[in-house]
Amino acid sequence: GQNIDQPTEMTATEGAIVQINCTYQTSGFNGLFWYQQHAGEAPTFLSYNVLDGLEEKGRFSSFLSRSKGYSYLLLKELQMKDSASYLCAVRGVTGGGNKLTFGTGTQLKVEL
Amino acid sequence: GAVVSQHPSRVICKSGTSVKIECRSLDFQATTMFWYRQFPKQSLMLMATSNEGSKATYEQGVEKDKFLINHASLTLSTLTVTSAHPEDSSFYICSARVRLAGGPSDTQYFGPGTRLTVL
Repeated sequence: GQNIDQPTEMTATEGAIVQINCTYQTSGFNGLFWYQQHAGEAPTFLSYNVLDGLEEKGRFSSFLSRSKGYSYLLLKELQMKDSASYLCAVRGVTGGGNKLTFGTGTQLKVEL
Repeated sequence: GAVVSQHPSRVICKSGTSVKIECRSLDFQATTMFWYRQFPKQSLMLMATSNEGSKATYEQGVEKDKFLINHASLTLSTLTVTSAHPEDSSFYICSARVRLAGGPSDTQYFGPGTRLTVL
């Protein structure tokens, strides 16, 4: 099975940098995804890591260490609109390697 | 991009009735779609994997006779909640798996969700 842990809540200041951590324990690993979800809306895809290292996409970066079962999402130059829940999801190898298991999400609040 | 739509966005029904939710991939074909349920302040829980032209694969603990899934075409999957009860009230979200040109891998893109309230 899969077990995914993320902090429940985080608060940061507009313009700052915030790092959201995710640790996972899985019986098989086929990639890790980060999604952003605003209240009452569906998740939107942010990033994907399958190999160790850092993936950068504009203000968002995601890091993966497979040996440590660890990932983080880094948000730079925070904006008020970044206030949302950030979901870490691991893709396993069962079920054709398609299924995602989601963490409970980290609720980020960006303040002035 | 990959656009997934859901209809309706919000539905209120009486206990005992059935509700059908549609999930469509608008600009791509999806052989595989997924149905999730999300309770307030909780994460997404996969209910079933919908495969075009074949039976859906349900997760453990999900009643296949209660949550009927039909994936009759490459762009449409439907979830029917039969004999709905108040405990079925939740946010239902579908996703479709696709690999975009230049993309790193198959990625799930989500529909906007359907808020179901059973009175």
